[in-house]
Amino acid sequence: GAVVSQHPSWVICKSGTSVKIECRSLDFQATTMFWYRQFPKQSLMLMATSNEGSKATYEQGVEKDKFLINHASLTLSTLTVTSAHPEDSSFYICSARAPSRDYEQYFGPGTRLTVT
Amino acid sequence: GQNIDQPTEMTATEGAIVQINCTYQTSGFNGLFWYQQHAGEAPTFLSYYVLDGLEEKGRFSSFLSRSKGYSYLLLKELQMKDSASYLCAVPDSNYQLIWGAGTKLIIKP
Repeated sequence: GAVVSQHPSWVICKSGTSVKIECRSLDFQATTMFWYRQFPKQSLMLMATSNEGSKATYEQGVEKDKFLINHASLTLSTLTVTSAHPEDSSFYICSARAPSRDYEQYFGPGTRLTVT
Repeated sequence: GQNIDQPTEMTATEGAIVQINCTYQTSGFNGLFWYQQHAGEAPTFLSYYVLDGLEEKGRFSSFLSRSKGYSYLLLKELQMKDSASYLCAVPDSNYQLIWGAGTKLIIKP
């Protein structure tokens, strides 16, 4: 149990376009989902916390108008990178928490974004 | 403040045993996680502990001492596939994980 999927697993897009990444909890309801970004050889950086049915809470320094997060259901959260630039190229990872599982978080496999 | 410390890198030999330490300083305690992360992949869950003591899961064991703010991950019978980063993390009251920088484990034949 506790499987989280992400789609797509990798994406290449042109500078100025928008990209949507989906995060799904497959066998549990996730009241909270977290979005991370990881640059090569660096630690995971939390971008935002997403609670179902409410606005996401963004970490300091993360532009909420650039990284749009929608947590419309208990099994789906989406991250849209708007007007992507090469510096947005990174590994984006989501994790999900089920209220029945206390503080446990389960990670999706990640999405590698390359902006050309 | 909240802080988690781990060694940056460790090297061990295939078939040997290695212990990866993690010390933490947090306001409140909601358990401690260990994750494994291979290069280019997302973290995978190894363990989550709330209570003191040692727990074994196959070749991996974890120890926690809340009074000392200390945990370790013990890997036995090391295999080449164990080469990865091992991440220690502690959740805060908002369920956000506070991460250590991770320990890169290098296994040599």
